[in-house]
Amino acid sequence: DAGITQSPRHKVTETGTPVTLRCHQTENHRYMYWYRQDPGHGLRLIHYSYGVKDTDKGEVSDGYSVSRSKTEDFLLTLESATSSQTSVYFCAITRTSGGAANNEQFFGPGTRLTVL
Amino acid sequence: RKEVEQDPGPFNVPEGATVAFNCTYSNSASQSFFWYRQDCRKEPKLLMSVYSSGNEDGRFTAQLNRASQYISLLIRDSKLSDSATYLCVVNGNNNDMRFGAGTRLTVKP
Repeated sequence: DAGITQSPRHKVTETGTPVTLRCHQTENHRYMYWYRQDPGHGLRLIHYSYGVKDTDKGEVSDGYSVSRSKTEDFLLTLESATSSQTSVYFCAITRTSGGAANNEQFFGPGTRLTVL
Repeated sequence: RKEVEQDPGPFNVPEGATVAFNCTYSNSASQSFFWYRQDCRKEPKLLMSVYSSGNEDGRFTAQLNRASQYISLLIRDSKLSDSATYLCVVNGNNNDMRFGAGTRLTVKP
């Protein structure tokens, strides 16, 4: 258990509305990630963070933004939700060894988002 | 072509059977390899890392073949509790992790 929580766990929203998902971790990990998981696809990286205010884009970042103002919180925002963003969203952390990410990732419980 | 490819299954096996999954990857520069397990409607959980020399953890054995760019997972003496989707994970060019779509296993009594 890596002490990761996500909120909300479920959300239904309408096209065009803004949505923010929160990932919270209690173990002071430097690296945090947002993924989406869709049928027939592996988890795909949306954005990641390597420290407070340090973020970068992943494979499928269009339509998403992130913020990390505190080590423990990593927020994912859909500025104007679309039906194609209906998915399960997972937050993850990577433990580090010697200051570098060791690539073993641990996931939060996920958020199921439906955009109507 | 996807960076990480897996047979989606489903694999349906009886209890006690031995089952093997393969996964191929396209990035020859990849250095980190993992198998994750994901139960229905749950988050993925790390099952084991895969090392060049191969490694074993109880009933689970992982192998890496760099020349052919595939990794494998062997499960011996399958249990009902092994029923899950198994995800193959490989690091990409920017050290981000690339996930396969998963192989579904059902172990039947």
